[in-house]
Amino acid sequence: QKEVEQNSGPLSVPEGAIASLNCTYSDRVSQSFFWYRQYSGKSPELIMSIYSNGDKEDGRFTAQLNKASQYVSLLIRDSQPSDSATYLCAFRGGSNYKLTFGKGTLLTVNP
Amino acid sequence: GAVVSQHPSRVICKSGTSVKIECRSLDFQATTMFWYRQFPKKSLMLMATSNEGSKATYEQGVEKDKFLINHASLTLSTLTVTSAHPEDSSFYICSARDSFTGMDTQYFGPGTRLTVL
Repeated sequence: QKEVEQNSGPLSVPEGAIASLNCTYSDRVSQSFFWYRQYSGKSPELIMSIYSNGDKEDGRFTAQLNKASQYVSLLIRDSQPSDSATYLCAFRGGSNYKLTFGKGTLLTVNP
Repeated sequence: GAVVSQHPSRVICKSGTSVKIECRSLDFQATTMFWYRQFPKKSLMLMATSNEGSKATYEQGVEKDKFLINHASLTLSTLTVTSAHPEDSSFYICSARDSFTGMDTQYFGPGTRLTVL
């Protein structure tokens, strides 16, 4: 069974710090990886997608993928209070386009 | 780009009635859409995969006769909760995959909060 493990948190960081969110997955044939942000009471919104080993940067966000270790992470630089949310990692394995989601990590950025 | 809408955003109904929720991809075509349910402080649970022009694929434990899915066009999928009961009260969220790009990124709608009295 495909699984995604995330530290549920809460993870608390001061404003301006780097927040590091981690995720491990069990399916070795996973092809695509995603980070979503979900504010309380809202639906998830896509932050990053990553398909190849290494780092991918988009503004203050950097996703890191290591397929050999089955590990994906998200770094948020210069964290802002508005980054406070639950961060969901997800991966797709197989051909049916279904995503498997982790339970999410609650991040709190303190002013 | 990649905007998904849902209607209604919030609905309150009496027990035993049916509720239809619409999911539309506004600026792209989606042969595949997904329906999720999320209870408070819980993770997303995939209910079914909606395929344009064919039957939906339901996840284990989801009653297909209770949660009717129709994907009649490349931009619209509907979820009908039939004979709703209070335990069906939840946050229902759809997502859509952009078929044209061939990528597997899912874009989520804003969700529909269902309360069954």
